[in-house]
Amino acid sequence: DTAVSQTPKYLVTQMGNDKSIKCEQNLGHDTMYWYKQDSKKFLKIMFSYNNKELIINETVPNRFSPKSPDKAHLNLHINSLELGDSAVYFCASSPGGRGTTGELFFGEGSRLTVL
Amino acid sequence: AQSVTQLDSQVPVFEEAPVELRCNYSSSVSVYLFWYVQYPNQGLQLLLKYLSGSTLVKGINGFEAEFNKSQTSFHLRKPSVHISDTAEYFCAVNVDSNTGKLIFGQGTTLQVKP
Repeated sequence: DTAVSQTPKYLVTQMGNDKSIKCEQNLGHDTMYWYKQDSKKFLKIMFSYNNKELIINETVPNRFSPKSPDKAHLNLHINSLELGDSAVYFCASSPGGRGTTGELFFGEGSRLTVL
Repeated sequence: AQSVTQLDSQVPVFEEAPVELRCNYSSSVSVYLFWYVQYPNQGLQLLLKYLSGSTLVKGINGFEAEFNKSQTSFHLRKPSVHISDTAEYFCAVNVDSNTGKLIFGQGTTLQVKP
């Protein structure tokens, strides 16, 4: 039973399209995150939600919009895809709350390729 | 600004040899430090963490790391590596205990050769 699961695992699409990636965690954690890993494997945080509230919103194009319907789910919607959006997107969760250590539990990643 | 620097982008090593992957950090808040491993086409998995207490931390797969506050370092070590340790290794620091925001180093590719 996967702790943090993302769908789809692979996504190939054309420039200008809109796509979504979904994430679910069954760990009972309060906080979920989206990270982007570029072609050089650099990991950069994008967003975080704590119990459906947006708590981290890094400098990301507004074509990217996260949504958290409940604390177990965090989705990422991307409008008007560009070549530079090609990357692996990782969802992660942590127990969260004030004083959290930040230990993250990662999903397997969603590899997005924009042609 | 808070940051994490992994000093080696690639570390080639022969099987059964010892290895050290270096990590330096800068942080103005309480220090929580992590090492994660990423095997090809997989997500990141926690190797070990330093939260407080003993500066020598033991993790999974025979890895350990030492927190050195004066040198702001958190180097990862293994006395004898296996082929299966070939992977990408990331050092990370918590820069905000309210949000749990982790920032990651650039990663070190460990290549274990037979």
